Amino acid sequence: DTAVSQTPKYLVTQMGNDKSIKCEQNLGHDTMYWYKQDSKKFLKIMFSYNNKELIINETVPNRFSPKSPDKAHLNLHINSLELGDSAVYFCASSREGRNIQYFGAGTRLSVL
Amino acid sequence: SQQGEEDPQALSIQEGENATMNCSYKTSINNLQWYRQNSGRGLVHLILIRSNEREKHSGRLRVTLDTSKKSSSLLITASRAADTASYFCAPANQAGTALIFGKGTTLSVSS
Repeated sequence: DTAVSQTPKYLVTQMGNDKSIKCEQNLGHDTMYWYKQDSKKFLKIMFSYNNKELIINETVPNRFSPKSPDKAHLNLHINSLELGDSAVYFCASSREGRNIQYFGAGTRLSVL
Repeated sequence: SQQGEEDPQALSIQEGENATMNCSYKTSINNLQWYRQNSGRGLVHLILIRSNEREKHSGRLRVTLDTSKKSSSLLITASRAADTASYFCAPANQAGTALIFGKGTTLSVSS
C-alpha cells in the first residue's frame, strides 16, 4: 500500500481554470504538508496542517486554498490558474514537524 | 531563515568514487535530515542526525554535523550509478515546525 498518495499524477489545464489535487496518507500521521517544486528543483513549503489545523501558511497567493477534511487527507485547491503555477506539487506527512517526512510521488501541473 | 543550503549545486563522479555534499544553515536546530530525490519522484528520507550528535552512519552513508559552524556533510562511499539523484538537507528548528529544504545537490554517477 502506498503510504502517501496524491492524485492526479499529471494535470494539464488552461489558464484561468480551477483545479484540485488530493492527498491521502495511511501512516496515522497527524501533520501533513504541501510543497511546490519549481523547474530549478527548489522545494518550497506552502502549507502545513496538524490535526486538521493550519500551522504553516507561507507566502502563497490566496488563490491556493488547502482543505483538510480529516487528519489523513489534505487537499489543495487552486483558483484562477496562472502560467507561473506550473510546477510539481508534493504532499508529505510526518508525526510531528521535526520528524521524518514521507512524500507522495508528486503532481505535475502544467498550465497552458 | 533556517533553510539549508547545499554545496555544490552539481557533482559528477565515476562509479566507485566517494561523493561529498555539504549543507549550511543559519539558526539553532533540533535535528538535521538528508533526503534523496530520484528524477520524477518524491523525496525519500535518508538519515536524521540530532543536534547533540556529531556523526552518524547508515550503510554507505556518513553524515556529520558541526553545530558550532552550523554545517553538515553527507558522504556517500563507493558510489553507484543508482545513487544518481538530487540530495537535499533539511534543518528542523527547535520549535518543531516543518523542515525547510534547500535547492539540493544534483549528483551524477557514471559507470
